[in-house]
Amino acid sequence: EAAVTQSPRNKVAVTGGKVTLSCNQTNNHNNMYWYRQDTGHGLRLIHYSYGAGSTEKGDIPDGYKASRPSQENFSLILELATPSQTSVYFCASGDAPSGQYFGPGTRLTVL
Amino acid sequence: GEKVEQHQSTLSVREGDSAVINCTYTDTASSYFPWYKQEAGKSLHFVIDIRSNVDRKQSQRLTVLLDKKAKRFSLHITATQPEDSAIYFCAASMETNAYKVIFGKGTHLHVLP
Repeated sequence: EAAVTQSPRNKVAVTGGKVTLSCNQTNNHNNMYWYRQDTGHGLRLIHYSYGAGSTEKGDIPDGYKASRPSQENFSLILELATPSQTSVYFCASGDAPSGQYFGPGTRLTVL
Repeated sequence: GEKVEQHQSTLSVREGDSAVINCTYTDTASSYFPWYKQEAGKSLHFVIDIRSNVDRKQSQRLTVLLDKKAKRFSLHITATQPEDSAIYFCAASMETNAYKVIFGKGTHLHVLP
């Protein structure tokens, strides 16, 4: 079964601090994605990657960086966390155009 | 850019009845339309998809219909069961950038006993 894991599952950060969310997939998919989910907004794409070494901006990239050091790993980095970045973050993998496999999510609270 | 609209934020049906969730999209170049289910407190998982070369696809109790002329697609669930209660997201990706998938805001389906 396809597997996407995320760490940490819950994170409390302080405003101005650096936060790194990690994602690992064992599906051998080329494409990986970072989304955030907020009430009233649904799922919004932050960054995506179509292979090791590549990162592309999604619809709401401001305040976020991404890193894809290998086929399996894709990280989302908040250099200076703000309260507006409090959300649930989902990582996904999937070879377009086909269904994506989602990780369990990370609940981030920025105080 | 592409927008995907999900017109019902909430839908309630009686157990055993059918449920229909509707979505529209704006870009005529969209060619791939997946649906995802999110149960309470859990992540999303893929349930069914349709590509633009067909107008209907069925998988057990789920059927997806695609009307390219109206830029509309819908998820039909027959003989609903309590475990169908969840948030359902429709999505679309464009021919020009299959990597980028745009999601609707979700429809919360309640299956009532």
